[in-house]
Amino acid sequence: GAVVSQHPSRVICKSGTSVKIECRSLDFQATTMFWYRQFPKQSLMLMATSNEGSKATYEQGVEKDKFLINHASLTLSTLTVTSAHPEDSSFYICSARQGSNSYGYTFGSGTRLTVV
Amino acid sequence: AQSVTQLGSHVSVSEGALVLLRCNYSSSVPPYLFWYVQYPNQGLQLLLKYTSAATLVKGINGFEAEFKKSETSFHLTKPSAHMSDAAEYFCAVSVAGGTSYGKLTFGQGTILTVHP
Repeated sequence: GAVVSQHPSRVICKSGTSVKIECRSLDFQATTMFWYRQFPKQSLMLMATSNEGSKATYEQGVEKDKFLINHASLTLSTLTVTSAHPEDSSFYICSARQGSNSYGYTFGSGTRLTVV
Repeated sequence: AQSVTQLGSHVSVSEGALVLLRCNYSSSVPPYLFWYVQYPNQGLQLLLKYTSAATLVKGINGFEAEFKKSETSFHLTKPSAHMSDAAEYFCAVSVAGGTSYGKLTFGQGTILTVHP
């Protein structure tokens, strides 16, 4: 079955530094990937939609200059949290869509970011 | 825009008892519906999905859900709970067209506790 690999699974960084999270589709090509954020005991909130070779589409209220998304190939999307602050601490999850339909999604295992 | 409401943020059952997790959706176009399970600090695993074929959908680990258009519901059931079913469950909806094409919208989640 389809597998999405997300790294790192856990990262601790200092305030003001940047952190990059990778999301790879291992056995399929993903023209579209999605990035979600999940606060403790809450649901997943879509941050942005990443399309290969084009700029990401950000949801309302998400700072595109803080959360940089790059989707340079059909199997890799990255999320960079720039100038991280403690309030950016959260669980980030990526999802890759197989094909162009609206029902073939595979999720990564998530990244726990802690900013100290 | 589509939305999902999960009734009950916490559900507790005894091992061997019926599991029923409720999900109601709102969508102006025919929806695709999903149930995911999430274990602590992990990504989401797909349990089952409805993509406009059979209204009774069977998934993994003995779970099933029935799409009822008249009730706008997609409740998740399992005849006999196992201890390993204890986790958080998310209902989600996507649509095949419109401005929300391809985006998954999640419910708030239901934490299932299974007692021995």
